[in-house]
Amino acid sequence: DAKTTQPNSMESNEEEPVHLPCNHSTISGTDYIHWYRQLPSQGPEYVIHGLTSNVNNRMASLAIAEDRKSSTLILHRATLRDAAVYYCILNNQGGKLIFGQGTELSVKP
Amino acid sequence: GAVVSQHPSRVICKSGTSVKIECRSLDFQATTMFWYRQFPKKSLMLMATSNEGSKATYEQGVEKDKFLINHASLTLSTLTVTSAHPEDSSFYICSVGLRHISGANVLTFGAGSRLTVL
Repeated sequence: DAKTTQPNSMESNEEEPVHLPCNHSTISGTDYIHWYRQLPSQGPEYVIHGLTSNVNNRMASLAIAEDRKSSTLILHRATLRDAAVYYCILNNQGGKLIFGQGTELSVKP
Repeated sequence: GAVVSQHPSRVICKSGTSVKIECRSLDFQATTMFWYRQFPKKSLMLMATSNEGSKATYEQGVEKDKFLINHASLTLSTLTVTSAHPEDSSFYICSVGLRHISGANVLTFGAGSRLTVL
């Protein structure tokens, strides 16, 4: 699976939008872009995934660049409970996911 | 998505003993489950893929005799850390994959099991 690059950490203010970037310049045509997050001392939690088009769900939005070499996870209104490590992962339909270092998001009240 | 239960959530054991961690898929028959470990402040590392009715597939560098995986039924996979040592202290997490309508494989994770070896 191709590699992703994310900033180590980001800060946001409560109730403001957050844009978490992910670079994946070596993405292949069959790679899905997945986002998971992990709250402290818990297992990871699925957030969203996409292939080519932007995606929205109740948790977040995923904006995918036209060349698919980067994507952005958008939390529309950050809450204190959104403080977590966010992982951007590429997967070509295979079962296993290989996690990178992720972005640690802190949310200030 | 699937509901995944792990037990125990925390375990403390003496060096040299063996510890078994269970991973159950409560509402989905899983032919495949995945086991990860995570050290403090580090990312998840995939250890092995558990296959129902056959041998597990281990990632490079993971000792299969040290970390015994059994997937005897479609709802249960177990990870046994044999002859545990303090360096085996870690957070162990299992997951189950479901095929999304889009074709992507989406994982649901258990809450994790924190192992401390004294």
